[in-house]
Amino acid sequence: NAGVTQTPKFRVLKTGQSMTLLCAQDMNHEYMYWYRQDPGMGLRLIHYSVGEGTTAKGEVPDGYNVSRLKKQNFLLGLESAAPSQTSVYFCASSYSHLGGRDSPLHFGNGTRLTVT
Amino acid sequence: KQEVTQIPAALSVPEGENLVLNCSFTDSAIYNLQWFRQDPGKGLTSLLLIQSSQREQTSGRLNASLDKSSGRSTLYIAASQPGDSATYLCRFNAGNMLTFGGGTRLMVKP
Repeated sequence: NAGVTQTPKFRVLKTGQSMTLLCAQDMNHEYMYWYRQDPGMGLRLIHYSVGEGTTAKGEVPDGYNVSRLKKQNFLLGLESAAPSQTSVYFCASSYSHLGGRDSPLHFGNGTRLTVT
Repeated sequence: KQEVTQIPAALSVPEGENLVLNCSFTDSAIYNLQWFRQDPGKGLTSLLLIQSSQREQTSGRLNASLDKSSGRSTLYIAASQPGDSATYLCRFNAGNMLTFGGGTRLMVKP
């Protein structure tokens, strides 16, 4: 029972490098989200998707791109990493929309990214 | 903009104590509120989801209450154990946006 799986778990990048974080869920959830968690800032929504082939901006989308080519996967891309993107990134999924009554979020274990 | 506040930021109690964690929100147009625990280096694990029409939800030693009029939710942990040590976060759902509180870091000492 995998739930939400994120890869990689850790990554160190140099400024200007690019990378893609992968999120996979096996619960047939329509909705997927990417958050970043920083000390003193809490969890902030980067981008989200309400279904295969769709993406939308969240609270802090700048510097990131996402793709949802398959329902079970949600990719987060950094085209040119900056030190300000040093953070822990969490993927989450839910069965129904943000406003759904039975919409508990299920989280992955996170990716710790350091940009030097 | 919705603000979700959790006070205190950190709490240390001896094993066996009953304790209450607080989550305050400024927008009364709540859809539901979810409590999570986060262990160091891990993701968030859902504990309880309480709908706007509900006053409380219980799971084992945990009880979450919701008071929309005062803009407050509490998470009650009975007979705390060292294994309860974690960061507890609340998430406010206004229907169009989810807002997380900053969390309360709980340490239960044996």
